[in-house]
Amino acid sequence: GEDVEQSLFLSVREGDSSVINCTYTDSSSTYLYWYKQEPGAGLQLLTYIFSNMDMKQDQRLTVLLNKKDKHLSLRIADTQTGDSAIYFCAATYSSASKIIFGSGTRLSIRP
Amino acid sequence: SQTIHQWPATLVQPVGSPLSLECTVEGTSNPNLYWYRQAAGRGLQLLFYSVGIGQISSEVPQNLSASRPQDRQFILSSKKLLLSDSGFYLCAWIHLQGHYGYTFGSGTRLTVV
Repeated sequence: GEDVEQSLFLSVREGDSSVINCTYTDSSSTYLYWYKQEPGAGLQLLTYIFSNMDMKQDQRLTVLLNKKDKHLSLRIADTQTGDSAIYFCAATYSSASKIIFGSGTRLSIRP
Repeated sequence: SQTIHQWPATLVQPVGSPLSLECTVEGTSNPNLYWYRQAAGRGLQLLFYSVGIGQISSEVPQNLSASRPQDRQFILSSKKLLLSDSGFYLCAWIHLQGHYGYTFGSGTRLTVV
């Protein structure tokens, strides 16, 4: 069935790079997304990548897509305390106009 | 520009009471609309989605129902709340041009006591 998986926790030191990984099952997913959720708030679209791309860079964010392995990653360069949040990986599915989300990775920043 | 409104922001309801959460979208027509629930410390579960007025698709059997009485209005309801209905409820609409991503409302924190 449709599934998106990601690890639950990641802890990095301030100033280091954070890499959050995700795998998905539907090879026909057209778009893949990273959302950010700060405490008590809704989800904010951080970035997305179209399935015919391998990489997308947007300031401190780099998204890598490996279609063969159905693996998506989000790299945050120079991680800051304001990056503390839950990061959700998500993918579109061809069966309907809907997006399936992973369980979210909680990123914590240590000094 | 398009905006999505969701209310109330927080709600405390006793077990067995009814529920009505409302979501409205502005600045777009015929949007696809979605209700998600996020249980404490967990990911997002798709509850319902709608591609048009009166059209509701249910993703999981549960104590909740949804309705879409108007093009830009999506309502989540329950006749009798259960403790397990507690969670963070998010409404979203999908961009059918461009990246097809969702825009989420600010969410409703529901606590059933």
